[in-house]
Amino acid sequence: EIVLTQSPGTLSLSPGERATLSCTASHIVSSNYLAWYQHKPGQAPRLLISGASSRATGIPDRFSGSGSGTDFTLTISRLEPGDFAVYYCQQYTDSPITFGQGTRLEIK
Amino acid sequence: QVQLVQSGAEVKKPGASVRVSCKASGYSFTTYYMHWVRQAPGQGLEWMGIINPSGGSTTYAQKLQGRVTMTRDTSTSTVNMELSSLRSEDTAVYYCARRGGVQGFDIWGQGTMVTVSS
Repeated sequence: EIVLTQSPGTLSLSPGERATLSCTASHIVSSNYLAWYQHKPGQAPRLLISGASSRATGIPDRFSGSGSGTDFTLTISRLEPGDFAVYYCQQYTDSPITFGQGTRLEIK
Repeated sequence: QVQLVQSGAEVKKPGASVRVSCKASGYSFTTYYMHWVRQAPGQGLEWMGIINPSGGSTTYAQKLQGRVTMTRDTSTSTVNMELSSLRSEDTAVYYCARRGGVQGFDIWGQGTMVTVSS
């Protein structure tokens, strides 16, 4: 099983600032099948990034993903009020599919 | 439009079973694998398993083996998830989610709250 570890657990920033979220895998994620999701209370998770760096349909270019192998990053270039949420990374290359424990992005 | 619509909230007693349904529309039902994910209160996302809507084959998370069953009905474009021998730790929001080809889970149902309480 591929274990994903996200850091930090909580990130406190202000609107307009840049957010950098990390996801480290215990084993290589083949084909870079690594996704990022945004999850707000009372809503379903929303796919942001697939294949480590490809933005999903309708996702603004403020969101970008990078990395390969075991180390991946989600960057939000200029935070807007609607960006404050919990973010999860997920690997979908290997069964069982696994999620990181999440990073809570909160308003400072 | 492409959407997944799930059945409504459930309250069950320990030891009972629950079935959550997920109706797909707006796309070819048999083309995309469907997954189930749950989130217990205050916890993260947990993958439960996958069903191939075309042939009906399934793979389940090891911790749920023997208690979870996923089925599909191609005539109604619906997948179902049944969880038996419910315990309080199964209290969670349950989501169905479509795997979008080489993408991650691109379409999600709205979620179904299942509460297990005596």
